[in-house]
Amino acid sequence: QKEVEQNSGPLSVPEGAIASLNCTYSDRGSQSFFWYRQYSGKSPELIMSIYSNGDKEDGRFTAQLNKASQYVSLLIRDSQPSDSATYLCAVRSGGSNYKLTFGKGTLLTVNP
Amino acid sequence: DGGITQSPKYLFRKEGQNVTLSCEQNLNHDAMYWYRQDPGQGLRLIYYSQIVNDFQKGDIAEGYSVSREKKESFPLTVTSAQKNPTAFYLCAARGRLATNEKLFFGSGTQLSVL
Repeated sequence: QKEVEQNSGPLSVPEGAIASLNCTYSDRGSQSFFWYRQYSGKSPELIMSIYSNGDKEDGRFTAQLNKASQYVSLLIRDSQPSDSATYLCAVRSGGSNYKLTFGKGTLLTVNP
Repeated sequence: DGGITQSPKYLFRKEGQNVTLSCEQNLNHDAMYWYRQDPGQGLRLIYYSQIVNDFQKGDIAEGYSVSREKKESFPLTVTSAQKNPTAFYLCAARGRLATNEKLFFGSGTQLSVL
């Protein structure tokens, strides 16, 4: 069973701080990596995708990927109360069938 | 939610009853997925379909069945064999292009047992 592991949290940061969310995965053949944000009672929405080693920045969000260490992270700069949500790490394994494996998610709370 | 419509929003199942969750999309996407989410848990894949008239089991298919007779529709039946059906069920769709890896999710169906 391919696994995606995240710290469940909750992670609490003050407004304006950097929130750091981490994820590890077991399948070395994994090709694509995603971060989804899910507000309570709502469906997930994609906020970042990353495919190659290194950093990818989009506004206040930076995704980091290290395939050798099988590690992917999400940094949220200048955290806002509206960022309070569960963040789900998702990994696409290799092969022709497109399947995403999700982690359990990390609950982030940004305190005003 | 991105052209994916799930119904009903809330559903109650009696003991021994089969229930069907509806998922309709107007995105013209080929691939569709059903996920289950339990409180405090991530999403677990139940079934997926990459093209009409074809579908594959996901990681937790036991007690569930699906059909894909039309591109727009991918209903999920929770059978009486599923002994712990209470969960939040999410349907998603994805386009065919290799570069299009974004899943569009519906708003979900909360299923509870009476």
